[in-house]
Amino acid sequence: DGGITQSPKYLFRKEGQNVTLSCEQNLNHDAMYWYRQDPGQGLRLIYYSQIVNDFQKGDIAEGYSVSREKKESFPLTVTSAQKNPTAFYLCASSPRGVMTETYGYTFGSGTRLTVV
Amino acid sequence: AQSVTQLGSHVSVSEGALVLLRCNYSSSVPPYLFWYVQYPNQGLQLLLKYTTGATLVKGINGFEAEFKKSETSFHLTKPSAHMSDAAEYFCAVTWGAGGTSYGKLTFGQGTILTVHP
Repeated sequence: DGGITQSPKYLFRKEGQNVTLSCEQNLNHDAMYWYRQDPGQGLRLIYYSQIVNDFQKGDIAEGYSVSREKKESFPLTVTSAQKNPTAFYLCASSPRGVMTETYGYTFGSGTRLTVV
Repeated sequence: AQSVTQLGSHVSVSEGALVLLRCNYSSSVPPYLFWYVQYPNQGLQLLLKYTTGATLVKGINGFEAEFKKSETSFHLTKPSAHMSDAAEYFCAVTWGAGGTSYGKLTFGQGTILTVHP
């Protein structure tokens, strides 16, 4: 079955470390997104990519980095510059551009990152 | 500016009662509307969507929503709540090629639904 796989489900990071969250999709979607979710704050967009080798900052990109070398993969690195990284991170994908109107997004099951 | 608002961050109902979760959008451009549900520590699942055609949309788990252009609303309803409906619900909008968020969804802040026995 097609879908999005996020790994790991739980991740613990020591202060000062960089960590990378994995997001893989086999839906043949062009667009991929990373969101951060904190209690009471909804979904906040970190980065998105509409096509391979191209990505744009979202609303809260500081302290994060991404790459899009393959259509199927959109990993997110949480760097040591992110001062409060403890949160639930969601990856999503959609067909590119106009198709999002009728399709919406497909979400992964999330990664919960905790700083220890 | 194009935006989406969910009225009420928390809604509490008794089992068997009507569920009503409110969503309003602001834009002069025709919207495409979605409702998603999120259970604890999981991703979001699509409940239903309005793109074109019939304004009353039926989704999974007995939920439905009606697009009312005159009220710029897309409220989610279920006639009889079940304990398993307890979750967080998100309204989302995209405005297609005429909007500033072309190709992207804008999400509301979410409404947590609690169902009491």
